[in-house]
Order: sequence, then C-alpha cells, then structure tokens
Amino acid sequence: NAGVTQTPKFQVLKTGQSMTLQCAQDMNHNSMYWYRQDPGMGLRLIYYSASEGTTDKGEVPNGYNVSRLNKREFSLRLESAAPSQTSVYFCASSEAADSYEQYFGPGTRLTVT
Amino acid sequence: AQSVTQLDSHVSVSEGTPVLLRCNYSSSYSPSLFWYVQHPNKGLQLLLKYTSAATLVKGINGFEAEFKKSETSFHLTKPSAHMSDAAEYFCVVNAGTASKLTFGTGTRLQVTL
Repeated sequence: NAGVTQTPKFQVLKTGQSMTLQCAQDMNHNSMYWYRQDPGMGLRLIYYSASEGTTDKGEVPNGYNVSRLNKREFSLRLESAAPSQTSVYFCASSEAADSYEQYFGPGTRLTVT
Repeated sequence: AQSVTQLDSHVSVSEGTPVLLRCNYSSSYSPSLFWYVQHPNKGLQLLLKYTSAATLVKGINGFEAEFKKSETSFHLTKPSAHMSDAAEYFCVVNAGTASKLTFGTGTRLQVTL
C-alpha cells in the first residue's frame, strides 16, 4: 500500500495563478484533511472531509477550496495564489472522523512569488 | 477550546544520553494526546498516542510519554538518543468532536556525537 500520496512534490506559482494540489489514499479511510505548515507555527487545518460528499472549514480556509472527488481523493485548489500561501501543504487521512490517528502524505512545497 | 504548548523549540543532546521533550496541554474535555515525528523533507509519522488507557504510553523507536493530568503534561522521553532520532517532534491534542487535531509549534531535536 502506498498510504497517502500527494502531487506535485514542489510547485512555484506567480501571484494570481491557480493550481490544484492532489491527494489520494489507498487505506479505505473515510476522513481526509488538508493542513499547511509554516515555520514556527506547527500544522494548521485548512479543510477537512469527514466522509465522502462532505467538506468543512478548518482553522485557515480563506483563499482555498476543496473537492472530495470520491472516497480516495481529496483535492485542494488555490484560485488566485498569494505570497502568503507559500507553505508546505500536507494531506492526511483517518479511518473515521472520530478516529484520532491520522496518516500523513509526504507534503507539497509551494512557493508563490 | 484546546491548545498545546511545547516548551522548547530546540533541544540538543549527545548520542547515548536521555531525551526529554516537554509538552503541556489545555483542554475542556478529556483529551487524546499524540506525539508525531517529522524527519527532514518527510511527512509526519505517529510516534505514540494516549487515549485514556494507561498513562504511560510506549511508542516506536524506544520513545515513551507519560500523561499527567494534575500537571497537564505529556512529556516525551527516550533513555538513549540515537543519531537517527534527529527530527522535528510535534505534540498534538484532540478533544471534543470530530477528528481535528491541534498541533504544537514543534521541537527540533538535534543529536550530536
């Protein structure tokens, strides 16, 4: 099993450009999450999907949209990138919304110039 | 509301000496607590978890942590550090509804010869 996979690994965008970060898991997990990691701030939740067909805002949702395409896939879209969105983005999954253990992907390093 | 405070942003130890990474938490509910490790340019990996069973929790790679409710602490320890332990460690709390984790700001562990 690959676990949680993310594409791309690295991306550079210009301000105002759009892009979609892809995430897939092969563990048959119901819940999926998007986090961003900034220096000295730990991880902050952007959006999550407790189950297929549902999405909810996390701590820092502004400037992002998500799509739970199916049970396996959960994408994060930046419609108009800003330098403040320069960060490392992690996708995670868990068996269920009340399952505390989350499994993380390797991350996407995004730079917005 | 819940929060977690990692008391040291950086800890340096010599190989073979004990490791202590400190974490205090705040929670309105009975919390679940975790330690995750992140090696350079990698995703996060669960080291150990406390979910209201035994207060002394053993994890992978010889790490353990003790839940002390009276002190609201969940410090991570290892008797003897190895070079491969050099990484960033995150203390994480989950309390209340849904599977929303609150991350500490991280402690970078350096291991020297």
